[in-house]
Amino acid sequence: NAGVTQTPKFQVLKTGQSMTLQCAQDMNHNSMYWYRQDPGMGLRLIYYSASEGTTDKGEVPNGYNVSRLNKREFSLRLESAAPSQTSVYFCASHLGWGDTQYFGPGTRLTVL
Amino acid sequence: QQPVQSPQAVILREGEDAVINCSSSKALYSVHWYRQKHGEAPVFLMILLKGGEQKGHEKISASFNEKKQQSSLYLTASQLSYSGTYFCGTEGPSYDKVIFGPGTSLSVIP
Repeated sequence: NAGVTQTPKFQVLKTGQSMTLQCAQDMNHNSMYWYRQDPGMGLRLIYYSASEGTTDKGEVPNGYNVSRLNKREFSLRLESAAPSQTSVYFCASHLGWGDTQYFGPGTRLTVL
Repeated sequence: QQPVQSPQAVILREGEDAVINCSSSKALYSVHWYRQKHGEAPVFLMILLKGGEQKGHEKISASFNEKKQQSSLYLTASQLSYSGTYFCGTEGPSYDKVIFGPGTSLSVIP
């Protein structure tokens, strides 16, 4: 099993550009998450998907959109990138409530 | 709402013990503990569920006080490999999302 995979690993964007971060899991998990991590701020939830076909906002959803393409894949889109979105983005998945979360390796995004 | 963690940072010598606390203003139904090394993804340590069930590594111990809405992670006889940032995550009763605290930085020195 590959676990949770994310692409790309690194990305540099200019202000106003758009991009999509990809995440896939092969553990047949129902729930998937996108977090961003900034120094001193911990892991902040952007969006999550409790099951295929559903998505909900987390703590910091502004400036982002998500798509739960199927049970395996959950993508995060930045429509018009801003320097404030410079961060490390982690995707995670788990079977459901009370179950272990598994994290992907992260995407390091810089917006100039 | 993000849980609160204390202390923010702690430095230990090898062999010393530490306690990391996590608290929430909302009722807790489960608490997750993860450790993150610099430049890496968080790694699972333990989950504590309302009612007393625990899942996790044998060498890690933690407590969950449902009434006080608090959890504590106990690190005993610390090793250099324990260094990293520790996060607690909390879940409510009926919605399926995990919210993490700001983290506690732990450094173990020889």
